[in-house]
Amino acid sequence: AQSVAQPEDQVNVAEGNPLTVKCTYSVSGNPYLFWYVQYPNRGLQFLLKYITGDNLVKGSYGFEAEFNKSQTSFHLKKPSALVSDSALYFCAVRALSGGSYIPTFGRGTSLIVHP
Amino acid sequence: DAGVIQSPRHEVTEMGQEVTLRCKPISGHDYLFWYRQTMMRGLELLIYFNNNVPIDDSGMPEDRFSAKMPNASFSTLKIQPSEPRDSAVYFCASSLLVGGSYEQYFGPGTRLTVT
Repeated sequence: AQSVAQPEDQVNVAEGNPLTVKCTYSVSGNPYLFWYVQYPNRGLQFLLKYITGDNLVKGSYGFEAEFNKSQTSFHLKKPSALVSDSALYFCAVRALSGGSYIPTFGRGTSLIVHP
Repeated sequence: DAGVIQSPRHEVTEMGQEVTLRCKPISGHDYLFWYRQTMMRGLELLIYFNNNVPIDDSGMPEDRFSAKMPNASFSTLKIQPSEPRDSAVYFCASSLLVGGSYEQYFGPGTRLTVT
């Protein structure tokens, strides 16, 4: 079975400071990993993904994520947070092969960026 | 492409009434998903289709819920009879998983309130 853990329900950061939203996963074999963002009263929006290759993945709105196979983590990062980054962030995982093609989502982490 | 389209955006109904939620996926996508989101339970996968065929409906809460996909461009989620505990935001998402980029594209959601 595949699973995702987002250990923090909420992350608070001051505008201009770096931010990290944590995600760890469990999957059989190699993973596909995703980050989505959900703004208030909107659907989830794809941010970035890791399939293969470079462990540092760059995505939309200046976000990036680092795949760490030994730690089974895929933390979302941004060097300088904006108030407009305040939203709900979801990590998701699916197996590369031999397992479910359907991604499993974490519970979500609420990011609050203070002016 | 206009993205995933859902209707209605808001639905308020009385307990016992039938509710039908509608979804138009992105053209060419081969998977369609129905999710439910609540504060208590987070994002739950209800059912998904591959090439219009239901593959896994194990997430459907009970027999009051049913979903159909009569063709590649339309799907419905029906609740009959509705109950107050069905109040949630229901999302439809589509994806191109075979030979595609794998991420899901979500609609704006239908906020259902059952009184």
